[in-house]
Amino acid sequence: ELKVEQNPLFLSMQEGKNYTIYCNYSTTSDRLYWYRQDPGKSLESLFVLLSNGAVKQEGRLMASLDTKARLSTLHITAAVHDLSATYFCAVHTSGTYKYIFGTGTRLKVLA
Amino acid sequence: SQTIHQWPATLVQPVGSPLSLECTVEGTSNPNLYWYRQAAGRGLQLLFYSVGIGQISSEVPQNLSASRPQDRQFILSSKKLLLSDSGFYLCASFNGAEAFFGQGTRLTVV
Repeated sequence: ELKVEQNPLFLSMQEGKNYTIYCNYSTTSDRLYWYRQDPGKSLESLFVLLSNGAVKQEGRLMASLDTKARLSTLHITAAVHDLSATYFCAVHTSGTYKYIFGTGTRLKVLA
Repeated sequence: SQTIHQWPATLVQPVGSPLSLECTVEGTSNPNLYWYRQAAGRGLQLLFYSVGIGQISSEVPQNLSASRPQDRQFILSSKKLLLSDSGFYLCASFNGAEAFFGQGTRLTVV
């Protein structure tokens, strides 16, 4: 059974600081996705990681994928208040067609 | 690019009443479709997914059912709602490369 776990579940950080969110998954996967969710809203796509060693960056966020370790990271650089949201990773398995989300990380950036 | 239409945006229903949430997809054909539920402050739980008309896979035994009467239509239903059915319901479509999401329905069972 595919399981996707994130840590930490909650993260409170000061503006200007750096931090990393981790996403571990239990079986081989085609792709790894990162999303942002604001309270009461749907999901906003951040990154799609397609292969081992893939790294993508957008603004203060950078995502990477290590398929051998079944691990993806979302690194936050010099956090700002606008980054406060819940972040989810998601994994798709072509064999089962399932699209499973991680447990989510609720990020709060303090001014 | 796909567009996912999901309605209603909010819904308040009494315990024991029926439920029907509809999701339709534009801009693609034969997508994989998904229903998720998110309890307050929690993650996204996969409820059902469908790879084609009439094909439904259930992930979690529960008070809900799903149907796919047309290629781009996915319906989530219940005959009798429970308090525990309250949550944020999200429909998604996956085209093999990326997923697209509806705006969600916030269901409150009272």
